[in-house]
Amino acid sequence: DTEVTQTPKHLVMGMTNKKSLKCEQHMGHRAMYWYKQKAKKPPELMFVYSYEKLSINESVPSRFSPECPNSSLLNLHLHALQPEDSALYLCASSQEGSQVYLPQHFGDGTRLSIL
Amino acid sequence: GIQVEQSPPDLILQEGANSTLRCNFSDSVNNLQWFHQNPWGQLINLFYIPSGTKQNGRLSATTVATERYSLLYISSSQTTDSGVYFCARRQTGANSKLTFGKGITLSVRP
Repeated sequence: DTEVTQTPKHLVMGMTNKKSLKCEQHMGHRAMYWYKQKAKKPPELMFVYSYEKLSINESVPSRFSPECPNSSLLNLHLHALQPEDSALYLCASSQEGSQVYLPQHFGDGTRLSIL
Repeated sequence: GIQVEQSPPDLILQEGANSTLRCNFSDSVNNLQWFHQNPWGQLINLFYIPSGTKQNGRLSATTVATERYSLLYISSSQTTDSGVYFCARRQTGANSKLTFGKGITLSVRP
């Protein structure tokens, strides 16, 4: 799914650094998602934004801070991460409707390594 | 919560062989997706198939919602089919999350 673009593709950072992951889609989707995926595991939901408002936070530690500046962009701000936060971070988007359950489209992910 | 179970957990095929991957659900299906995650981590949408049958080239999928399962068929497998296949379904309600199965690791050998 190349219609959801994530940058950077790879990120190495120290535990005291501050960095951001970015996600962009131009499909007119109004729901956007962050997932975390550890090796040999399925993706796990972190956050859901619907119409630019945070609608689901799956009890994610505060060192991860999501932001949705507009309907096409989703950021994940990182601060004081731990080595166990090293993972593949996936962004997804979908159309939204109260009675329609529509597919999610995923970006290629950012592979994050914490030193 | 919703259970999504996939089988078999691992599968090794010789190039050219056919295979069937299964996904079972603990409750009724109204939204189901099949994904292929390649060795580089890209999660690729294969099918959105809450019911019925769809085909795309060598791949096809069938979901029998009343019996709570979905099948992914791969015919004439190629080495590029290797990777992990996930099925996922979405809970009812707006903004609900996608629940993934644990995945099926497929290795296609030349």
